[in-house]
Amino acid sequence: QKEVEQDPGPLSVPEGAIVSLNCTYSNSAFQYFMWYRQYSRKGPELLMYTYSSGNKEDGRFTAQVDKSSKYISLFIRDSQPSDSATYLCAMSANRGSTLGRLYFGRGTQLTVWP
Amino acid sequence: DSGVTQTPKHLITATGQRVTLRCSPRSGDLSVYWYQQSLDQGLQFLIQYYNGEERAKGNILERFSAQQFPDLHSELNLSSLELGDSALYFCASSVEIQARYNEQFFGPGTRLTVL
Repeated sequence: QKEVEQDPGPLSVPEGAIVSLNCTYSNSAFQYFMWYRQYSRKGPELLMYTYSSGNKEDGRFTAQVDKSSKYISLFIRDSQPSDSATYLCAMSANRGSTLGRLYFGRGTQLTVWP
Repeated sequence: DSGVTQTPKHLITATGQRVTLRCSPRSGDLSVYWYQQSLDQGLQFLIQYYNGEERAKGNILERFSAQQFPDLHSELNLSSLELGDSALYFCASSVEIQARYNEQFFGPGTRLTVL
């Protein structure tokens, strides 16, 4: 079992829809939870990060972390065709020699059609 | 543009060969990470260097090795290449300030094709 599970999709929604992306994980040591966006043939870029449990909002994006359920979510409101990309969840631990390494989900491919 | 540069962008080679991938981190970043992205495995951590020293190892094969030089650029060496090594290889860098979140900035990647 991979440490981070993410449904690869693909997910196809009309413009303006609310998109929900999710990941589950098994390692209780994870403290930082991130969402990266990756356009085709590009490197991942950070969208948002959250420390421990809770919600974080940035414009049309909201990240939620539920550590008790080992479940994280990213919501995109009023989705736009420019949001079409692969969304990767990532996590890292807060201690030990592996402090910085990221554990990624497989990524969910999102298409927003006009 | 993340500020992380990787060369070459594309590499096509044959099985059994050896290649070197190069990464220059963002100015001021001391830490370099290497990741491999394949269709079946997703993005997987290979190895991390901090200020010239190896800090953490992930799922890196013995045929692969890396180093970070005094000017902080890093090279990933892949030898005895197999078809299954075909993947995108990303380098990421971060500043690594203690007791705070350190964002990893990813380069554009090197696409390796082994024929």
